Amino acid sequence: GENVEQHPSTLSVQEGDSAVIKCTYSDSASNYFPWYKQELGKRPQLIIDIRSNVGEKKDQRIAVTLNKTAKHFSLHITETQPEDSAVYFCAAPWANQGGKLIFGQGTELSVKP
Amino acid sequence: DGGITQSPKYLFRKEGQNVTLSCEQNLNHDAMYWYRQDPGQGLRLIYYSQIVNDFQKGDIAEGYSVSREKKESFPLTVTSAQKNPTAFYLCASSPIAGGFSGANVLTFGAGSRLTVL
Repeated sequence: GENVEQHPSTLSVQEGDSAVIKCTYSDSASNYFPWYKQELGKRPQLIIDIRSNVGEKKDQRIAVTLNKTAKHFSLHITETQPEDSAVYFCAAPWANQGGKLIFGQGTELSVKP
Repeated sequence: DGGITQSPKYLFRKEGQNVTLSCEQNLNHDAMYWYRQDPGQGLRLIYYSQIVNDFQKGDIAEGYSVSREKKESFPLTVTSAQKNPTAFYLCASSPIAGGFSGANVLTFGAGSRLTVL
């Protein structure tokens, strides 16, 4: 089945620095890779996603890169701000189970002012 | 508030009690899901439903039960058979079940925190 590994589990950066979170997946048929952000006490919300027909997607200060050969994808946040502090989850669909999303373990990002 | 409502926000249960968590959505989404969130373990799927009157077990269904009598509603019952029920429970919905080639964008509720006394 699909297995999604996410690293690191915690990440602390200074305001203005970049942050990178990496995920690997096992199902080679996976074709959609979303990232969710969960602020403290709030619900997870989709912040960016990428389909397997592209290698990179950007949205202002966030970007996601995908390497299908190596089966990994990464979230990049540039010019980090304190409001970026949250838990970030990656996910990948399990093709043999109707495409249901399997989530990574989460990364707690702390941006210090 | 996002179109998907969970209640109650906080719930306390005594040993041996069943409790039911409510989830209602007004997004006209076909698929609904229940996830359990524990620190350091991400989001684990309990049950999901792709259509009314049908649902499937997820990865950690033991000790839980669900029903899907209406498209808008997907309540989760935490039974006394669930040995470690203290957790944060998240309900989610998506327009379609996703499928092999589809994007499965989830909209989450605000969550229900269950504590066993």
